Amino acid sequence: QVQLQESGPGLVKPSETLSLTCSVSGYSVSSGYNWGWVRQPPGKGLEWIGNIYHSGSTYYNPSLQSRATISIDTSKNQFSLRLASVTAADTAVYYCVREGAFDSWGQGTLVTVSS
Amino acid sequence: DIQMTQSPSSLSASVGDRITITCRASQGISNFLAWFQQKPGKAPKSLIYGASSLQNGVPSKFSGSGSGTNFTLTISSLQPEDFATYFCQQYYTFPYTFGLGTNLEIK
Repeated sequence: QVQLQESGPGLVKPSETLSLTCSVSGYSVSSGYNWGWVRQPPGKGLEWIGNIYHSGSTYYNPSLQSRATISIDTSKNQFSLRLASVTAADTAVYYCVREGAFDSWGQGTLVTVSS
Repeated sequence: DIQMTQSPSSLSASVGDRITITCRASQGISNFLAWFQQKPGKAPKSLIYGASSLQNGVPSKFSGSGSGTNFTLTISSLQPEDFATYFCQQYYTFPYTFGLGTNLEIK
């Protein structure tokens, strides 16, 4: 059974870069599927951030204005998210997801942007 | 971007009831539609993909239908564990987009 687990700082200062890693177990990220990130501001709905194919191709939500970068490390069976120039509006629970049918999600990690 | 409009935004129902939630896409998405259930403090759980295919392990009381722009999620014989927030999502084209959610509450 595939499992995903997010890790990274829970507090980031405004204008700095948010960095999160998703560790995958039970499935090799290089074997297939797309791997994505979704976020949810407190008390609000879900926003798709972007994804990376097992081949390395990436797609991002234009709403993030080119601030997001997703990368994959097949040797560690992980993929990562970097979000630059964060503001309070980026405060959210961040989820990593195995796409396709979005059948597997991490438990989520709350990232707060505050000085 | 494709806008996903869910209705109702909230719904009160009783244990044993059958309810239906609708999701409308601003343009045709074929059957690239998923439904999720989310409980407070938890990650969304995938219920249905491809508009009508049940995820492994999801009880058959959940069913989905629709194609193109209009979709429905039906839950029969509501049980206490079914009261949660439900989201639809299109994965037909980037950026993938979600509905705002339907909060299903116990009457």
